[in-house]
Amino acid sequence: AQTVTQSQPEMSVQEAETVTLSCTYDTSESDYYLFWYKQPPSRQMILVIRQEAYKQQNATENRFSVNFQKAAKSFSLKISDSQLGDAAMYFCAYEEKGAQKLVFGQGTRLTINP
Amino acid sequence: AAGVIQSPRHLIKEKRETATLKCYPIPRHDTVYWYQQGPGQDPQFLISFYEKMQSDKGSIPDRFSAQQFSDYHSELNMSSLELGDSALYFCASSPQGSGTTQYFGPGTRLLVL
Repeated sequence: AQTVTQSQPEMSVQEAETVTLSCTYDTSESDYYLFWYKQPPSRQMILVIRQEAYKQQNATENRFSVNFQKAAKSFSLKISDSQLGDAAMYFCAYEEKGAQKLVFGQGTRLTINP
Repeated sequence: AAGVIQSPRHLIKEKRETATLKCYPIPRHDTVYWYQQGPGQDPQFLISFYEKMQSDKGSIPDRFSAQQFSDYHSELNMSSLELGDSALYFCASSPQGSGTTQYFGPGTRLLVL
């Protein structure tokens, strides 16, 4: 079974600085999808960014970008120019191609210090 | 833009009672997913439906059942509730199956006393 590991239970960063959240996963598949979701105190799950495994180019969405290392099975999230509204729990998630379910990591709680 | 609607938003039940959670997907989304998130936990996949057929199944207890109706809304039925069923239950929807972005609803917070 696929597993997703987020080794940083908590991270903090100064406002306007850059922070990187780590995620590794274990799979024997070659075609899959990776996601980062954000869960603020409201508990709403909000998509941050999506990466397709067959695409070598790293996905970017405004201040959010990923470093996808397929061979290392690593999928880190970089947040640039951190803002107070970025404070949340961040979940890394994996979906095997052909499956219709997400497997989540344990989450990283991100605190932004003003 | 329309989002996933879940009802009720909050639910309090006694042990051994039954609960029904409803999910209304984003218009033109034909795939629905259910997740359970316990306190301090990551979301755990329960079950998904594509075009009204079950498409994938996770760690859903036998006491739970779900279905997707002709209008694509879905219901999660939970019987013989246990204290451990207290959690946030998310429904998500997507326009088609694997690999497309799942858009989550606000969740139903279930408390079993």
